[in-house]
Amino acid sequence: NAGVTQTPKFQVLKTGQSMTLQCAQDMNHEYMSWYRQDPGMGLRLIHYSVGAGITDQGEVPNGYNVSRSTTEDFPLRLLSAAPSQTSVYFCASSPSWRTSGTYQETQYFGPGTRLLVL
Amino acid sequence: RKEVEQDPGPFNVPEGATVAFNCTYSNSASQSFFWYRQDCRKEPKLLMSVYSSGNEDGRFTAQLNRASQYISLLIRDSKLSDSATYLCVVNKGTSYGKLTFGQGTILTVHP
Repeated sequence: NAGVTQTPKFQVLKTGQSMTLQCAQDMNHEYMSWYRQDPGMGLRLIHYSVGAGITDQGEVPNGYNVSRSTTEDFPLRLLSAAPSQTSVYFCASSPSWRTSGTYQETQYFGPGTRLLVL
Repeated sequence: RKEVEQDPGPFNVPEGATVAFNCTYSNSASQSFFWYRQDCRKEPKLLMSVYSSGNEDGRFTAQLNRASQYISLLIRDSKLSDSATYLCVVNKGTSYGKLTFGQGTILTVHP
């Protein structure tokens, strides 16, 4: 299994440009999440999905859109990039409690995308 | 008050030392607790879950105090390879799969 994959690894954007960060997992996990990580701060949840067709906002959703058309893929779209969106973005997946048999929801992370917005 | 608070460190310890990290959380409805490890410029990886009765995995011991809303991680006989950032992670209580991360505690183990 490849686990959770993310593309691209690095990206430089100009203010106002749009782009999509790709995330895919091959573990058949129902839950997928997007986080951003900034220096001195913990990972912050951007958007969240509990299954295909179902998404929800996290703590910092403004400026980002998501969709979940398949179990495997969970792309994150930046609509109009701003310098404040310069960050490292991590995608994560986890099995549901029904699948895992536990409420201990272990998340598996992708390698991250480093984004710089000029 | 932050939902999850950790001492950011850094902790600099010699090989073989015992080191303890603490974490407090504010949401009394939280049901699951974890320690993740993050190496420099890498993704976080689960180190261990934290159970109410406390649990041990080799040199690592995790404790949970629900009354005080406090979690700890003890590392015995530190190795150079333990150098990393340790993230305290708590679920949001009402929603399975929604996790809150502390800012992390940096550990450097030196020879």
